[in-house]
Amino acid sequence: DAEITQSPRHKITETGRQVTLACHQTWNHNNMFWYRQDLGHGLRLIHYSYGVQDTNKGEVSDGYSVSRSNTEDLPLTLESAASSQTSVYFCASSAQFSYGYTFGSGTRLTVV
Amino acid sequence: QKEVEQNSGPLSVPEGAIASLNCTYSDRVSQSFFWYRQYSGKSPELIMSIYSNGDKEDGRFTAQLNKASQYVSLLIRDSQPSDSATYLCAVNIPSGNTGKLIFGQGTTLQVKP
Repeated sequence: DAEITQSPRHKITETGRQVTLACHQTWNHNNMFWYRQDLGHGLRLIHYSYGVQDTNKGEVSDGYSVSRSNTEDLPLTLESAASSQTSVYFCASSAQFSYGYTFGSGTRLTVV
Repeated sequence: QKEVEQNSGPLSVPEGAIASLNCTYSDRVSQSFFWYRQYSGKSPELIMSIYSNGDKEDGRFTAQLNKASQYVSLLIRDSQPSDSATYLCAVNIPSGNTGKLIFGQGTTLQVKP
């Protein structure tokens, strides 16, 4: 069955370190998205991609970057982790913009 | 003003009652609207989509859309304790041939046995 997987499920890192969160989908969806979820803020869009070599900034993109070299993967990199980036991160994908998104199971990141 | 607004709750209803969840949005050009359910510690799960004004029913769930008032709602009939979760309203913000989903902060629903 097609799926969208995130790794790792949990990560603890130190302030200032570079961290990469993986997202891999086998739906063959062109559209992929990264969100973070914090208490009181709901899901906020970090970066998104409409296809290979395409990336766009979302509403909370500062300190994050993404790259899209193939259809299946959209890794999210925190260039220099900060305590404010402690959060749960969700990756999602969709075939069409009028469809809903399918979400991965999330990565809980703690920056100490 | 936030693009998508929901009352964070918690909304508490007795088992068997109707739960009514509401959402307003600010972008008039939005055409696609979604409700997600999220259990504690889990990822969001799509439960309803609606694109046209009026009601859309799926089992115990009914989504209602009023584009003139920029209002989306979700009704859950015969609420069960298993419906206790956070419900997220999401609105597709179009941009040419593309778009992105913007979420409200979610409403926590508690169904008491």
